[in-house]
Amino acid sequence: DTEVTQTPKHLVMGMTNKKSLKCEQHMGHRAMYWYKQKAKKPPELMFVYSYEKLSINESVPSRFSPECPNSSLLNLHLHALQPEDSALYLCASSQLPRGRNTEAFFGQGTRLTVV
Amino acid sequence: AQSVAQPEDQVNVAEGNPLTVKCTYSVSGNPYLFWYVQYPNRGLQFLLKYITGDNLVKGSYGFEAEFNKSQTSFHLKKPSALVSDSALYFCAVRDTIKAAGNKLTFGGGTRVLVKP
Repeated sequence: DTEVTQTPKHLVMGMTNKKSLKCEQHMGHRAMYWYKQKAKKPPELMFVYSYEKLSINESVPSRFSPECPNSSLLNLHLHALQPEDSALYLCASSQLPRGRNTEAFFGQGTRLTVV
Repeated sequence: AQSVAQPEDQVNVAEGNPLTVKCTYSVSGNPYLFWYVQYPNRGLQFLLKYITGDNLVKGSYGFEAEFNKSQTSFHLKKPSALVSDSALYFCAVRDTIKAAGNKLTFGGGTRVLVKP
């Protein structure tokens, strides 16, 4: 199973709402990632979790709050977002950087629209 | 800092013709390079990777890539393109921060359009 599952697929939220994006993988990967992708642009790294601990935060605004409850799950909590935060949010997972099996596997993404 | 560049925003090719998508890289140390494909409103699918070893890497769906150290290139190729290969292709380089996971830096992407 090389699948990363993201829910929901689509989300529309107001600027005062609180919502969460969810991501799940069962490949035994101990590194999980959140990327943000604007239309026709490459994905940009937001956060990296390693062994369920936040290891990289790419200076993301605090209105995005990641959480890794266990080795299979990754959440992204959203609060007081702005319309410019509308984008495709991608979750990915990989083994940690040892050996040759280091490719990341991506979920289908959550298309977020902030109104 | 590691980086990759994809010089072409779009590549048009007729079905059955060879397809090449270009990528050049700039890294310190040994390069860890990847190709991903993205279909509309979908996530990224892994195609292939170069870590070390043979300069010709074979991947999924009939794709292959040629690593050229002297030209710092990692071009993606397919001998005979299909209409279903029409998609957005990303080259990426891995920046490893030990015990902190892989940080992938992507090129700008190349849109491939295969015409029947």
